[in-house]
Amino acid sequence: AQKVTQAQTEISVVEKEDVTLDCVYETRDTTYYLFWYKQPPSGELVFLIRRNSFDEQNEISGRYSWNFQKSTSSFNFTITASQVVDSAVYFCALSEEDQFYFGTGTSLTVIP
Amino acid sequence: NAGVTQTPKFRILKIGQSMTLQCTQDMNHNYMYWYRQDPGMGLKLIYYSVGAGITDKGEVPNGYNVSRSTTEDFPLRLELAAPSQTSVYFCASDRRGQGVTEAFFGQGTRLTVV
Repeated sequence: AQKVTQAQTEISVVEKEDVTLDCVYETRDTTYYLFWYKQPPSGELVFLIRRNSFDEQNEISGRYSWNFQKSTSSFNFTITASQVVDSAVYFCALSEEDQFYFGTGTSLTVIP
Repeated sequence: NAGVTQTPKFRILKIGQSMTLQCTQDMNHNYMYWYRQDPGMGLKLIYYSVGAGITDKGEVPNGYNVSRSTTEDFPLRLELAAPSQTSVYFCASDRRGQGVTEAFFGQGTRLTVV
């Protein structure tokens, strides 16, 4: 079974629209970490955020915000007023014990 | 700060050839990983290491070998390259012990087997 599920394979939005990328995870650990990474067309993996399982506060960083809900095992990522530079593949990841588990990614295209 | 350095960035191999992908990190991270990313797909874990001298298989270890003789280096060896190993390979590291850092990734190695 997938430990991290990103059900949205591809999303297209028009510039300035808001978009939410979904992430659902599965773990039996009480201590774990959740991450979001961005992979732009150039191919590198860019770290965006880390959350530990004891911190359910939502976080906002500029146009980016993250909603962590343990009750639904979700860690969703919202981009407000999307821009063309946001076009990328976004990966959600779970860290428990010795490994990271990555979702299959959501490819976001922002249309000018 | 160099972070995680992978070499080479690109490589074309012929079927049956062997090669080593180099990975080194200068952050004194105890954990290191090798992933492969096939076109349009997510990351699959090949091997990982929790410290020098200790390695373990990930999801897709067949056709690969690793070693971890030092904290800094974690080379990935491909023996008898096959077209199915055409992929982008990422090395990563993180620190575990008192919490977990994010995984720091190298720039990737694009490997084509022809």
